Amino acid sequence: SQQGEEDPQALSIQEGENATMNCSYKTSINNLQWYRQNSGRGLVHLILIRSNEREKHSGRLRVTLDTSKKSSSLLITASRAADTASYFCATDQGGSEKLVFGKGTKLTVNP
Amino acid sequence: DGGITQSPKYLFRKEGQNVTLSCEQNLNHDAMYWYRQDPGQGLRLIYYSQIVNDFQKGDIAEGYSVSREKKESFPLTVTSAQKNPTAFYLCASSIWGSPLHFGNGTRLTVT
Repeated sequence: SQQGEEDPQALSIQEGENATMNCSYKTSINNLQWYRQNSGRGLVHLILIRSNEREKHSGRLRVTLDTSKKSSSLLITASRAADTASYFCATDQGGSEKLVFGKGTKLTVNP
Repeated sequence: DGGITQSPKYLFRKEGQNVTLSCEQNLNHDAMYWYRQDPGQGLRLIYYSQIVNDFQKGDIAEGYSVSREKKESFPLTVTSAQKNPTAFYLCASSIWGSPLHFGNGTRLTVT
């Protein structure tokens, strides 16, 4: 079952611009995570935000969570060509041991 | 360096043959997972294991089997009963409730 759905499916921007990706989910959660995947590689964890948190920062990343709207956003500021990758949100479905991933947003940052 | 190793990176098999994908971790993580990723899709959970000698079915377990005889190892067998086995397979591990660490995947092609 797909819990999170990312929007947009693909995003193309110029280096230096900001990139915003959104994630919507259906059931209650304990936490929401964002992962990055370079082409043909495994996923790398970026940031985890708990259901009682509204915003979290890590370097150039800013994640927000709105549990009333069941949505989250990932903002990458001052993007670089090296940020080109697919980004996935994942949720735990209310503390279930299973982590459920969305289909991802494919980000292309043009130099 | 601690990490999670999947081998081989590419695997080719004829239809009707069983094939086993290897996953080894030296992170001392209790939990291990197998996900399947199809082009343009998110990750779908095949099987997961929280402790040695125990594992649970994920969302798409049909046609797959696993074993967890050692904490470090969680091999996945793709059987001939799996209707569409060609995919990118990702193994992950974690301390329970913490973010997942992924291997770099095995791309299986069945012809």
